[in-house]
Amino acid sequence: NAGVTQTPKFQVLKTGQSMTLQCAQDMNHEYMSWYRQDPGMGLRLIHYSVGAGITDQGEVPNGYNVSRSTTEDFPLRLLSAAPSQTSVYFCASSYDRAPTNEKLFFGSGTQLSVL
Amino acid sequence: QQQVKQSPQSLIVQKGGISIINCAYENTAFDYFPWYQQFPGKGPALLIAIRPDVSEKKEGRFTISFNKSAKQFSLHIMDSQPGDSATYFCAASIYGKLTFGQGTILTVHP
Repeated sequence: NAGVTQTPKFQVLKTGQSMTLQCAQDMNHEYMSWYRQDPGMGLRLIHYSVGAGITDQGEVPNGYNVSRSTTEDFPLRLLSAAPSQTSVYFCASSYDRAPTNEKLFFGSGTQLSVL
Repeated sequence: QQQVKQSPQSLIVQKGGISIINCAYENTAFDYFPWYQQFPGKGPALLIAIRPDVSEKKEGRFTISFNKSAKQFSLHIMDSQPGDSATYFCAASIYGKLTFGQGTILTVHP
């Protein structure tokens, strides 16, 4: 099994550009989420989904959109990139829906720089 | 409040020593406390976890100590090895949402 696959691994954008970070999992997990990791701030939840067609906001959702049309895929869209969105982005999935969410499986991350 | 505070920010330990990382939380509704380990260039991976109805959980060289009254929990790594060098995150969960601490960069010198 591939687990959680994120593409691309690296991306450089100019301010105002839009792009989509891709995330796919092959474990038939119901729960999927996006985090951003910034130095000294840990991982912060952007958006999450407890199943196909269901999404909700996390701690830092502004500037990002998500959709969940299939169980396998959970893309993250940056509508108009800003330098403050320079970060490492992680997609994670879990077999459990809320509330237990006992074990998250993380992808290897996308390093995004916005100039 | 959803905040989880983690300390220290970085830690250097000699091989064979004990590494201790501490976390504190405010929200008493948190019901699950995992620790994640992250190697450079990789995503975090679950290391060990505890629920608030127990005070300690041990898995190999890794132990979580949990103090419900103080709203604190800690990770102890016994006989630390260079291969343990990584970033460690504590976290706390409520309604399935994990709130992570700021992370601790652990370096174990040979």
